[in-house]
Amino acid sequence: QQPVQSPQAVILREGEDAVINCSSSKALYSVHWYRQKHGEAPVFLMILLKGGEQKGHEKISASFNEKKQQSSLYLTASQLSYSGTYFCGTEWYSGGGADGLTFGKGTHLIIQP
Amino acid sequence: GEEVAQTPKHLVRGEGQKAKLYCAPIKGHSYVFWYQQVLKNEFKFLISFQNENVFDETGMPKERFSAKCLPNSPCSLEIQATKLEDSAVYFCASSPSLDSYNEQFFGPGTRLTVL
Repeated sequence: QQPVQSPQAVILREGEDAVINCSSSKALYSVHWYRQKHGEAPVFLMILLKGGEQKGHEKISASFNEKKQQSSLYLTASQLSYSGTYFCGTEWYSGGGADGLTFGKGTHLIIQP
Repeated sequence: GEEVAQTPKHLVRGEGQKAKLYCAPIKGHSYVFWYQQVLKNEFKFLISFQNENVFDETGMPKERFSAKCLPNSPCSLEIQATKLEDSAVYFCASSPSLDSYNEQFFGPGTRLTVL
């Protein structure tokens, strides 16, 4: 089952904040966040594994709720370089190794000067 | 190497022709994944390997797609008798998977165009 990302698109002015959500109908093993610029490979941002986990740094951080069904990515004081499409990739279970990710449809983020 | 390498960058095939894509994972990574990204940006997981063994092939259309990871060789993804709907960017990713945090690092992709 594909995770649901929201919003589909966001347009911000430089310096504004954004929140991107990723929701699942059932508990996840992990959530992976990526940013992809047009014509380029997805770039790994972070992975969350534990319910209630928060990680990242001042500018880009993420949380995973206690039930492990929702994750949010926080972009603070956005910069022009943050523009791109953000994807969450989910693992449903740990198969004893590394599992193929099921990705959301992406959130397009446009930062204007 | 320190990055996932994929060749070729672009591949153009006539419908019905064969296409073969290559991937060299990051040195020391045990897991390799293939994903297909179509024009609407949606990713589809195809297959994963643990070293040379298939780990998960649930996303693979087996009638025309095949993949291998042989020792001391790049991994490969082959499409027999390509169809128009196979046009996509194919990404390879690798993961060390040394602990529970299975970070996957993506290569630059191969853009396949089927005419």
